[in-house]
Amino acid sequence: RKEVEQDPGPFNVPEGATVAFNCTYSNSASQSFFWYRQDCRKEPKLLMSVYSSGNEDGRFTAQLNRASQYISLLIRDSKLSDSATYLCVVNIGFTGGFKTIFGAGTRLFVKA
Amino acid sequence: NAGVTQTPKFRVLKTGQSMTLLCAQDMNHEYMYWYRQDPGMGLRLIHYSVGEGTTAKGEVPDGYNVSRLKKQNFLLGLESAAPSQTSVYFCASSHWDRSYEQYFGPGTRLTVT
Repeated sequence: RKEVEQDPGPFNVPEGATVAFNCTYSNSASQSFFWYRQDCRKEPKLLMSVYSSGNEDGRFTAQLNRASQYISLLIRDSKLSDSATYLCVVNIGFTGGFKTIFGAGTRLFVKA
Repeated sequence: NAGVTQTPKFRVLKTGQSMTLLCAQDMNHEYMYWYRQDPGMGLRLIHYSVGEGTTAKGEVPDGYNVSRLKKQNFLLGLESAAPSQTSVYFCASSHWDRSYEQYFGPGTRLTVT
């Protein structure tokens, strides 16, 4: 079983739609959580952190459910420019080191 | 301020050939990483470094070697390329206390025939 699992999609949505992605993680020692965005044939970039209390950044809302070990990303009022792959990222700390695990990503296509 | 740069951007190798990928960052980051990205697999950590002169193995280190002789540079070497090493290679860097916020280079597309 992969340590971080995401629905690969693709999600095809019209402009203005609301879309949600989920991600599950298997290591209960996971400490911090993030969403990265990767445009086609480009490098990944940090989109936002995910906090237990939930956090919002404009049209984007991220939530964490530690009990069920899943993370979600909600995009409201989708724009064409939101078309990208969204990577779920989990940071696991341990004595003497750390490990950052990237999910395989969920592809989103927003169409006019 | 260029951020993270990688050279070359593209390369085609024949099986058994060797090459070195160069990564450079100008953000004075302590940590640097090499990943490979394959379809459906996500980013997988090959090797990483927490400081000049130190390196450590990641998830998929076999067939690769690294060196970090200067803080700003992190080199990834393939001694004898194999078709299974066909991939997109990304270098990244981060501050030691913000390892989750990694800044990536534009990637190197490597094909081994």
